[in-house]
Amino acid sequence: QVQLQESGPGLVKPSETLSLTCTVSGASISSSYWSWIRQSPGKGLEWIGYISDSGSTNYNPSLESRVTISLDTSKNQLSLKLSSVTAADTAVYYCARFYYNSHAYWVFDFWGQGTLVTVSS
Amino acid sequence: IQLTQSPSSLSASVGDRVTITCRASQGISSYLAWFQQKPGKAPKLLIFGASTLQSGVPSRFSGSGFGTDFTLTISSLQPEDFATYYCQQLNTYPRTFGQGTKVEIK
Repeated sequence: QVQLQESGPGLVKPSETLSLTCTVSGASISSSYWSWIRQSPGKGLEWIGYISDSGSTNYNPSLESRVTISLDTSKNQLSLKLSSVTAADTAVYYCARFYYNSHAYWVFDFWGQGTLVTVSS
Repeated sequence: IQLTQSPSSLSASVGDRVTITCRASQGISSYLAWFQQKPGKAPKLLIFGASTLQSGVPSRFSGSGFGTDFTLTISSLQPEDFATYYCQQLNTYPRTFGQGTKVEIK
């Protein structure tokens, strides 16, 4: 069973960089694609981006100038960095496996429990 | 691609048949998934490919549609089905979600 666990500061000051880590167990980080998704009351569920098993990335254009997703294969972790945050970035942040299944469909099949990040001074 | 779900919320009783619709702003073939989310929990994948049930999901859930119009049906609502349901398109980037449909107890 694939399990994901997000971690990181729950409070970030405006204009600073939000940094989160997702630790994966039950699967190698090098065996699939991985994604970050966030959920805020105002904007619902928003896909942030993905990183492939080889490290290539694809970001939501609405966030692309501020987002970096990376892998640490030695720790089986992926990370998210979002710079120049504002109150609008307050949300629950989820990591999820982005998997090409045997039916030839991409799916977000395993998710972490999510971590709330509040942007406030 | 914008996804519009209807209704935004509904009230239903245990045993009722419930249908939720999701309309895409442009054609997405069958690249649509449905998720269930309960308060404080992550979304759970129910259906992918518009109509294929994810492993372990009860058969009372079903999905249909192609192109721009899709439906999620719960054939006989159970107490554990009261939750918010989201559709998601996986045809183009950025991946987008519907705004959600909250299913409440009548």
